[in-house]
Amino acid sequence: EAGVVQSPRYKIIEKKQPVAFWCNPISGHNTLYWYRQNLGQGPELLIRYENEEAVDDSQLPKDRFSAERLKGVDSTLKIQPAELGDSAVYLCASTGEGTEAFFGQGTRLTVV
Amino acid sequence: GDSVTQMEGPVTLSEEAFLTINCTYTATGYPSLFWYVQYPGEGLQLLLKATKADDKGSNKGFEATYRKETTSFHLEKGSVQVSDSAVYFCALSTGGGNKLTFGTGTQLKVEL
Repeated sequence: EAGVVQSPRYKIIEKKQPVAFWCNPISGHNTLYWYRQNLGQGPELLIRYENEEAVDDSQLPKDRFSAERLKGVDSTLKIQPAELGDSAVYLCASTGEGTEAFFGQGTRLTVV
Repeated sequence: GDSVTQMEGPVTLSEEAFLTINCTYTATGYPSLFWYVQYPGEGLQLLLKATKADDKGSNKGFEATYRKETTSFHLEKGSVQVSDSAVYFCALSTGGGNKLTFGTGTQLKVEL
């Protein structure tokens, strides 16, 4: 069974540019999460989806970050414009009924 | 709010040594507790979990016991191997939605 798939694995952009990350969760998993992991820190939740509805986005910096999960499957996280402090690993995870969270390999973003 | 405190790393051990990584938590409500592992270049993987007091989670020779009286969930292994070298994250989840709150991670290096 395929795990959580994220792309790209690495992204380097200049500050003030836009960037987008894509996540394909495990088939059948209704809940999808985006986490941000700063260097030397644990992941922190940005947003949680139940199907296509964002049910917890309290930690998402809404002035520059946006996310969507059309049709309740794949999800995209966007930053526009990016700032130097956005450099981090962005992790996607999904859970099904009664399962633990399965994580993707993450996208490592470097803003220069 | 919820928080997790882990011992700082890196922890460097010789092969076959005994491992303990300390983890304590603060939570509202009655959390479930987890240890995740991140091998180099890979995503987070669930190592073990415990959902109620005095439960012992175990996997791959690792163990952790949910201690409500000391709000702790220390990770132990009797004999580490070089292949155990990774970053270990303690985490908790409370309420609905399976949102995870992570510690900062502890890097383990096992040498021959």
